[in-house]
Amino acid sequence: AQKVTQAQTEISVVEKEDVTLDCVYETRDTTYYLFWYKQPPSGELVFLIRRNSFDEQNEISGRYSWNFQKSTSSFNFTITASQVVDSAVYFCALSEGIQGAQKLVFGQGTRLTINP
Amino acid sequence: DTEVTQTPKHLVMGMTNKKSLKCEQHMGHRAMYWYKQKAKKPPELMFVYSYEKLSINESVPSRFSPECPNSSLLNLHLHALQPEDSALYLCASSQGQRGSPLHFGNGTRLTVT
Repeated sequence: AQKVTQAQTEISVVEKEDVTLDCVYETRDTTYYLFWYKQPPSGELVFLIRRNSFDEQNEISGRYSWNFQKSTSSFNFTITASQVVDSAVYFCALSEGIQGAQKLVFGQGTRLTINP
Repeated sequence: DTEVTQTPKHLVMGMTNKKSLKCEQHMGHRAMYWYKQKAKKPPELMFVYSYEKLSINESVPSRFSPECPNSSLLNLHLHALQPEDSALYLCASSQGQRGSPLHFGNGTRLTVT
């Protein structure tokens, strides 16, 4: 069975600090996709990044970076120089393929609070 | 701005009411989804439509009835709900192939009294 674990329930840091959100996954598939979503208080889930199992290259987008390591089944997310606007719940998710669509298995989420 | 539009944003209904949630996307996506999210929990999949056909029903009670009138529209009809059905209902869409990211709407915050 597919499973995603986000062990950090809540994180609180002061603005401008760096913060890393952990994500560990379990799957028996050889081909799989991992995602990170951000959910601000408004409620919408915002897609941040997708990574497939064949691409272990780390990615950086502005202040955001992702570290994918198949050896440890982890897909961690780092925010550099955090800002108050980064406050949100962040979900890591693993895709389970179904015909013509896909089913996302979400972790429990990490509530990130950036204090001014 | 989100490319998946959900209406209404908020809905309060009694247990005997009938109401509908609506979702619309114009990205040409062929898969559409309904998720339910309780406070401080991750979203839970309810239904998946692929090419306008229901492909997954995650054992959702029959008081929730989905409908996909065309490839751009997705409805969720509600009847005889219970207070525990109060939640944020999220619609999403994606391209058909595995690995395509889901794009979510802002959700409908439903309160059942």
